[in-house]
Amino acid sequence: SQQGEEDPQALSIQEGENATMNCSYKTSINNLQWYRQNSGRGLVHLILIRSNEREKHSGRLRVTLDTSKKSSSLLITASRAADTASYFCATLSGAGSYQLTFGKGTKLSVIP
Amino acid sequence: EPEVTQTPSHQVTQMGQEVILRCVPISNHLYFYWYRQILGQKVEFLVSFYNNEISEKSEIFDDQFSVERPDGSNFTLKIRSTKLEDSAMYFCASRGLAGHNEQFFGPGTRLTVL
Repeated sequence: SQQGEEDPQALSIQEGENATMNCSYKTSINNLQWYRQNSGRGLVHLILIRSNEREKHSGRLRVTLDTSKKSSSLLITASRAADTASYFCATLSGAGSYQLTFGKGTKLSVIP
Repeated sequence: EPEVTQTPSHQVTQMGQEVILRCVPISNHLYFYWYRQILGQKVEFLVSFYNNEISEKSEIFDDQFSVERPDGSNFTLKIRSTKLEDSAMYFCASRGLAGHNEQFFGPGTRLTVL
């Protein structure tokens, strides 16, 4: 698989339920970031977790990072219809200009 | 709150024409990026720019592409002779000096090549 592969590709849940999205990557990283994209719109940064961190919280978001398994998960608790969007993980590795490598994303639909 | 802006939001052009996509990064940022996203696909890195020169570029960024920071605020991406496959959403991003900080993305320009 390629760097930053998310699963599932699509996820449909009821409002109020929790949504979990996973991301796997192949190379060593400096940090991993999650972005949200509403349909046809720009990328909104959600949360960044560094390679020496294992878990991070921001509001209803919880991100975990397991560098031994080269994987991360994004948990959205108590989902709302407004959370409907595509979610991408992006890894940053190496030195230099620090470009991000994005995964293909998980399309989340929250049904009211 | 400062933000990255991009113009135009949508650009339609004929194949073979030149287009310039414009971005205004966050004012105190020093690293600038262009990414693109073909419809339904992942976001792909094109080029990074620092200290008035290209830092890194991907294999997508061929001789048809160029970037420029013509003044202290704008950052442009030029495609000299557009192809059908250049149709995509183009995102500009910027970040501050610290190496591992988040990148702030603009809303994107949707380029349609006919």
